Amino acid sequence: KAGVTQTPRYLIKTRGQQVTLSCSPISGHRSVSWYQQTPGQGLQFLFEYFSETQRNKGNFPGRFSGRQFSNSRSEMNVSTLELGDSALYLCASSTQGFGNTIYFGEGSWLTVV
Amino acid sequence: AQRVTQPEKLLSVFKGAPVELKCNYSYSGSPELFWYVQYSRQRLQLLLRHISRESIKGFTADLNKGETSFHLKKPFAQEEDSAMYYCALSNAGGTSYGKLTFGQGTILTVHP
Repeated sequence: KAGVTQTPRYLIKTRGQQVTLSCSPISGHRSVSWYQQTPGQGLQFLFEYFSETQRNKGNFPGRFSGRQFSNSRSEMNVSTLELGDSALYLCASSTQGFGNTIYFGEGSWLTVV
Repeated sequence: AQRVTQPEKLLSVFKGAPVELKCNYSYSGSPELFWYVQYSRQRLQLLLRHISRESIKGFTADLNKGETSFHLKKPFAQEEDSAMYYCALSNAGGTSYGKLTFGQGTILTVHP
């Protein structure tokens, strides 16, 4: 079956703009989570959605937001972009339950100039 | 707060040598521990988890609750093992199915 798909794969934005990243989870997966990966901070949890509800949120400013649709697809949005938002944004999906495997997408590379 | 520490940012070994990637964690509840691997130009993928007690690609990891460690070991390293390795933790008893806390990662290089 198809893996976690993220679009766009690469994008360049200007400071102050906003960006929306999209994620299509593996079919049947209802949990979608987002991570930010940077050389300095490593992999950091942004938020997790399950059945259209945000279940957990990491320690990021309110400029970072997300949502999940009824088909489990998810989007994350970053408003008022800053240079420090340049990163690889990873989406992951999983089924519900203990012992589940979390599958990652290839990520969206965001560069803020 | 939960935390995962991988003390070595870089680890170099020769082919055929044993390798151990260290991981220590702090968590007050009942954690589930994972090792994820990221090969060059590939997505992050699960290598193994402590509850399955499997050996994947010759790697094993034992959860030591007394020392709060989950070190990854392989007796004979291969060149294809060169990659970035991440130790990660999740709340096994909670509802945070998709929330992983990652260590900073260890870049393993296996020389021929």
